[in-house]
Amino acid sequence: SQKIEQNSEALNIQEGKTATLTCNYTNYSPAYLQWYRQDPGRGPVFLLLIRENEKEKRKERLKVTFDTTLKQSLFHITASQPADSATYLCALTGTASKLTFGTGTRLQVTL
Amino acid sequence: EAGVAQSPRYKIIEKRQSVAFWCNPISGHATLYWYQQILGQGPKLLIQFQNNGVVDDSQLPKDRFSAERLKGVDSTLKIQPAKLEDSAVYLCASSTSTGSGNTIYFGEGSWLTVV
Repeated sequence: SQKIEQNSEALNIQEGKTATLTCNYTNYSPAYLQWYRQDPGRGPVFLLLIRENEKEKRKERLKVTFDTTLKQSLFHITASQPADSATYLCALTGTASKLTFGTGTRLQVTL
Repeated sequence: EAGVAQSPRYKIIEKRQSVAFWCNPISGHATLYWYQQILGQGPKLLIQFQNNGVVDDSQLPKDRFSAERLKGVDSTLKIQPAKLEDSAVYLCASSTSTGSGNTIYFGEGSWLTVV
């Protein structure tokens, strides 16, 4: 069956460090992979989209990699700030263009 | 640009009662989605509309959940009768089309507690 796995344990890092979140998937051949941010009590907000033929995508302090051989995406936030604390969700498009989300990883950036 | 609007934001009902949630997508967005998010989990797609037609409702519990999108704009999601396990956030979202590379814009969600 299709699975999207994100680390369910919270990631705690110090301000200024680089946060790296992982998204692994099985039984998907996604054309696109997306990352969203979700704050408590709010809906998810789109951050980045990366296509299967792209290895890496950057947006300001964010960087996403997409390895279709390893079936993995890494999401990096450089120079982390407390305001980056949130849950980060990866999402894949499977059959019939349905966007399926992982469970998300909570990031906590401390001073 | 106005975002996706949802109401009510919070609702508490007893099991076996009914509840309805309303969504107004971003103007001009043809595709509308209803997702269910249980605490600690990622959003799960319940139903996807393209204009006023259903594209995917494979994960909608049709014995108790129903949704409609009249005139291809606003949508309502109804649960009747509610069960305890329906306690979740119901997220409405919209996008310009059903293409897999489209960005999905979410509303703030409607929080349902079934007691």
